[in-house]
Amino acid sequence: EIVLTQSPGTLSLSPGERATLSCRASQSVSSSYLAWYQQKPGQAPRLLIYGASSRATGIPDRFSGSGSGTDFTLTISRLEPEDFAVYYCQQYGSSFTFGGGTKVEIK
Amino acid sequence: EVQLVESGGNLVQPGGSLRLSCSASGFIFSNYPMHWVRQAPGKGLEYVSAVSSSGDNTYYADSVKGRFTISRDNSKNTLLLQMSSLRAEDTAVYYCVRRMGGYDLWGQGTLVTVSS
Repeated sequence: EIVLTQSPGTLSLSPGERATLSCRASQSVSSSYLAWYQQKPGQAPRLLIYGASSRATGIPDRFSGSGSGTDFTLTISRLEPEDFAVYYCQQYGSSFTFGGGTKVEIK
Repeated sequence: EVQLVESGGNLVQPGGSLRLSCSASGFIFSNYPMHWVRQAPGKGLEYVSAVSSSGDNTYYADSVKGRFTISRDNSKNTLLLQMSSLRAEDTAVYYCVRRMGGYDLWGQGTLVTVSS
């Protein structure tokens, strides 16, 4: 099973700042089958990025994904108030596993 | 409107059974593989089970293999999850999700609580 480790666990930032979230896989993720999700309290997760770098429908361009192999990054270029949430990465190249999540909180 | 609506969550005793249902609308249900994902209270996301678009192939996480059964009825646009031999650690919100690359469509979730 591919284990995904997200860091940091919590990121404390101010609106307008840049957020960089990391997702590291225990083995290579085939064909960059890596997705990112945003989840707000009491809501279902929402797909942000698939295929490591493709934005899902309706996702603002301040969200971007990069990486390959075992190291992946989600970048939020300028944090808006609605971006404070928990973010999960997921690999779907070998079965399906999620990372433990990164909480982006207001500093 | 494109949506998934789960139902069937409830309080059940350890060792008991429960069936979850997910009703799909607004898209061609039979074109998509469908999955169940769960989230224990205050915890992260966990893949539970998957079924191919035709229903011919099913897959399970090791944690539920032999206890849960996934199925679908494409004529009724419905996804099902039959859960048996339930344990306290199965307590979670269960989400029905559509797989298109990643999980591009989620239901609102239904809460299953396993407790005596």
